[in-house]
Amino acid sequence: KAGVTQTPRYLIKTRGQQVTLSCSPISGHRSVSWYQQTPGQGLQFLFEYFSETQRNKGNFPGRFSGRQFSNSRSEMNVSTLELGDSALYLCASSLEIGGDTQYFGPGTRLTVL
Amino acid sequence: DAKTTQPNSMESNEEEPVHLPCNHSTISGTDYIHWYRQLPSQGPEYVIHGLTSNVNNRMASLAIAEDRKSSTLILHRATLRDAAVYYCILRDYPGGGADGLTFGKGTHLIIQP
Repeated sequence: KAGVTQTPRYLIKTRGQQVTLSCSPISGHRSVSWYQQTPGQGLQFLFEYFSETQRNKGNFPGRFSGRQFSNSRSEMNVSTLELGDSALYLCASSLEIGGDTQYFGPGTRLTVL
Repeated sequence: DAKTTQPNSMESNEEEPVHLPCNHSTISGTDYIHWYRQLPSQGPEYVIHGLTSNVNNRMASLAIAEDRKSSTLILHRATLRDAAVYYCILRDYPGGGADGLTFGKGTHLIIQP
């Protein structure tokens, strides 16, 4: 069974731009969570989607948003990029919402210049 | 979720057992103890989880103290591929947790050849 895939793997943007990241969960997994990892803050939870609805949300500004499609694939969007948004963005899938085992993708490395 | 405390780093020799401690003195009765690890340049990877009894799987063993205020992840025979950051995470119920996984700083495990 294929693992969680994320595209693109690397991205360079400039301040003020917006970016969309994509995540394809493991086949059969219905929940997708997003995390941000930075050297200073570590791994932080962004949000979780299940059945095309955002179910849980971490403490991030509204510039960070996401959506989930009927095939469970998910996208996250960051608008009006700031230098501090430079990070590794990780997607994780699990069978059900708040699933006990989360399977992570390799991440998308976003650099904001 | 309750807080966990782990050593910042540990060092071990290849082919020797490794015991990674985690303190969680404020654990609640419904908190499961999860361990994830993150290898360099990869997303986190599930290792093991348990509630009260010791648990074993192909990757590791989890020893949980009788009062559940601490636990130890045991790698029976460390290899260079086990060099990673190991995270001890508490999660309410196997399917619970409204805020995703709460990652701390983790323990950076160094394996010497």
